[in-house]
Amino acid sequence: QQPVQSPQAVILREGEDAVINCSSSKALYSVHWYRQKHGEAPVFLMILLKGGEQKGHEKISASFNEKKQQSSLYLTASQLSYSGTYFCGTETLGTGANSKLTFGKGITLSVRP
Amino acid sequence: DGGITQSPKYLFRKEGQNVTLSCEQNLNHDAMYWYRQDPGQGLRLIYYSQIVNDFQKGDIAEGYSVSREKKESFPLTVTSAQKNPTAFYLCASSMLDFDRGLSEQFFGPGTRLTVL
Repeated sequence: QQPVQSPQAVILREGEDAVINCSSSKALYSVHWYRQKHGEAPVFLMILLKGGEQKGHEKISASFNEKKQQSSLYLTASQLSYSGTYFCGTETLGTGANSKLTFGKGITLSVRP
Repeated sequence: DGGITQSPKYLFRKEGQNVTLSCEQNLNHDAMYWYRQDPGQGLRLIYYSQIVNDFQKGDIAEGYSVSREKKESFPLTVTSAQKNPTAFYLCASSMLDFDRGLSEQFFGPGTRLTVL
């Protein structure tokens, strides 16, 4: 079952902040965030692990609420280069050695001058 | 330079024909993945493999087949049984660390398949 991302789309001006969310109905081990620009491959942004560890981008922050199975990505002082589609991928607890990511449908974020 | 290559970038086929999409990586990654991307649907997992000669079905495996004879290569065949094969196909790879969960995935540039 795909995680649910919200809002569906975000439009903001350079310098503004944005928060995008990812919610799952299953207990999670980790949440991954990727950004994809039009016609290009997705690019890794961040991993948030159960227990609080984070790995990823210096200028983007995120949170992971394990009890609510939710993650939020915080984009501050947005730049034109932040435009793209943001995907979260969730790794479910208990899948063992055959773990996989299940991606949400993505959120389109547009930063305007 | 290390990375993932997919070929071709654009592929056109007639309905009823099988077609094989290539994916090669020189990152020495153990795990490889195939995703299908349709507008508004996100990335949906077709097949994945964590070791040579072994692979698992993803969420939408029907109508597809894969092989993993070499660590570097993970070709995807779209068969005539796939009812709606026109889509953007992405291949990815990652390291494996069973103690720390899934690692970041590196994606190839994708193949856009159009079935006429």
